[in-house]
Amino acid sequence: AQSVTQLGSHVSVSEGALVLLRCNYSSSVPPYLFWYVQYPNQGLQLLLKYTTGATLVKGINGFEAEFKKSETSFHLTKPSAHMSDAAEYFCAVSGSSNTGKLIFGQGTTLQVKP
Amino acid sequence: EPEVTQTPSHQVTQMGQEVILRCVPISNHLYFYWYRQILGQKVEFLVSFYNNEISEKSEIFDDQFSVERPDGSNFTLKIRSTKLEDSAMYFCASSALQNTGELFFGEGSRLTVL
Repeated sequence: AQSVTQLGSHVSVSEGALVLLRCNYSSSVPPYLFWYVQYPNQGLQLLLKYTTGATLVKGINGFEAEFKKSETSFHLTKPSAHMSDAAEYFCAVSGSSNTGKLIFGQGTTLQVKP
Repeated sequence: EPEVTQTPSHQVTQMGQEVILRCVPISNHLYFYWYRQILGQKVEFLVSFYNNEISEKSEIFDDQFSVERPDGSNFTLKIRSTKLEDSAMYFCASSALQNTGELFFGEGSRLTVL
């Protein structure tokens, strides 16, 4: 079985500061890991994903995440926050090899202060 | 850019009424999903659908729920007799491949059961 835990339901940073959103997963099989972003009144949009290969993955809007198997983590970072990054961020693990089902974390709301 | 569209964006219904939520997935996608998010809670998987049949369903997806792809373009979720606890945002998603996790989500349909 798979599960995802996102540490911190709300994160607040100043514009230009480092963004770090934490995600830990549990999986009995090699995981596929994802970060999705949800802007107000919009659907979820894929930011980046890890399947196999390079453990540091880059996504859209300057975000990246590093898969650390030993720590069962997949934290999302961005060197410099922008006001437009304010949104809700969801970490997810692929829950089934047969159906593509995703198991989501509870989400982290990112607030960016001017 | 192709997108998943959902209708209605918001529906209010009385407890016990039937509701149909509609989705138009991206045209060349083969895998279809419904997720829901109760206010303040995680995004939860409901069902996946491929080749005109359910691939996987969650415990939430009981006999009150059904899905259908009636005409090759629409993908519907029906709730036969709504309950108060069905109030949630329902997201439709589609993907071209089954295990990449690259699901494309619609903007959601908010269901309010009174």
